[in-house]
Amino acid sequence: GDSVTQMEGPVTLSEEAFLTINCTYTATGYPSLFWYVQYPGEGLQLLLKATKADDKGSNKGFEATYRKETTSFHLEKGSVQVSDSAVYFCALSDPQGAQKLVFGQGTRLTINP
Amino acid sequence: DAGVTQSPTHLIKTRGQQVTLRCSPKSGHDTVSWYQQALGQGPQFIFQYYEEEERQRGNFPDRFSGHQFPNYSSELNVNALLLGDSALYLCASSPQGLYTGELFFGEGSRLTVL
Repeated sequence: GDSVTQMEGPVTLSEEAFLTINCTYTATGYPSLFWYVQYPGEGLQLLLKATKADDKGSNKGFEATYRKETTSFHLEKGSVQVSDSAVYFCALSDPQGAQKLVFGQGTRLTINP
Repeated sequence: DAGVTQSPTHLIKTRGQQVTLRCSPKSGHDTVSWYQQALGQGPQFIFQYYEEEERQRGNFPDRFSGHQFPNYSSELNVNALLLGDSALYLCASSPQGLYTGELFFGEGSRLTVL
């Protein structure tokens, strides 16, 4: 079945450092890909998405590019802030539009000032 | 505009008991999905309700059941609780006809089974 694998955490960085969180997937067909973020005390919320190969999703300085050839969707940010501390989840959805997400295990990110 | 609301936020049960969790979807959303998030893991899909029917189901036993009401709110019921059912239960909503790929999540109900 479909699956998502994220780099293991936790990840600890200093403010203004460059961030990469790796995500690879296994799926039949061509799924849509997502990054969701879970801030402390809040519900999961969509950070960015990409629906087809070579699409780049971006939001709040974060970017991820849908790479079909490497089945990857790595999350990047050029300069992280303390407020980016959260748990990040990579996810894919059924290309048939079933509104069901398959999540990776999550990566906890802590940014120190 | 209220987002997805869930209740209760925390609860403690003992093995063998039954639990009911509740969810009100975001205004304008008619599809509700439930996910189980074990500690340190990503959410896993339990099932989805639309038009008061279960439309899809993940790999969960029949002890997990649900219901959707005419106002689109939903309940998740778990019978014969096991220690392994301890988790954060997330409700997500979306609009069936205007789905853009984004699910809107509540903050979850944290269930502890002793």
